[in-house]
Amino acid sequence: SQQGEEDPQALSIQEGENATMNCSYKTSINNLQWYRQNSGRGLVHLILIRSNEREKHSGRLRVTLDTSKKSSSLLITASRAADTASYFCATAASGGSYIPTFGRGTSLIVHP
Amino acid sequence: DGGITQSPKYLFRKEGQNVTLSCEQNLNHDAMYWYRQDPGQGLRLIYYSQIVNDFQKGDIAEGYSVSREKKESFPLTVTSAQKNPTAFYLCASSITSGRTGELFFGEGSRLTVL
Repeated sequence: SQQGEEDPQALSIQEGENATMNCSYKTSINNLQWYRQNSGRGLVHLILIRSNEREKHSGRLRVTLDTSKKSSSLLITASRAADTASYFCATAASGGSYIPTFGRGTSLIVHP
Repeated sequence: DGGITQSPKYLFRKEGQNVTLSCEQNLNHDAMYWYRQDPGQGLRLIYYSQIVNDFQKGDIAEGYSVSREKKESFPLTVTSAQKNPTAFYLCASSITSGRTGELFFGEGSRLTVL
């Protein structure tokens, strides 16, 4: 069963703009992770935020988590053409096997 | 370099044939996973293994089989019983399937049924 669902499905922006993607989920989680996938490649882990954290930063990435709303957002600041990729959230349910389950992803295109 | 190696990258199969996708990791990770990715579907879990000689079905295990005889290897067999096997298959590993959760992925194997 897919727990996380990303929104929007597709996002097209100009280089230098910020990109925001959202993830909603249904049950209590232990942690939430964001991954990036370039076309035809494997996924690369970007950032993990635990259920007791509200915000986390990594370089140009900022992730927020609102457990009361069961949602997370990924912000990429000052986007670059190289950020063009699909972005997935994955949730690890609490009290379970902690196997991350993935949403359908957001396809981001950054125009130079 | 440490990582996960999947092979082959591309594979073509005739209907009715079984095929085996290889996944090897040298990260000394306990847990390994197989996901299937279809356009617009995201990743769906096929099988996972938390320890050698043990594995569990995921959400879409029908038509697939796995083995975990060695810590570093987790091959996936797509059997003729899988009705729609054309897809992109991703193997992943993690230190344990516990609270850390971060997955390391291979580059994927694309299977096409002719």
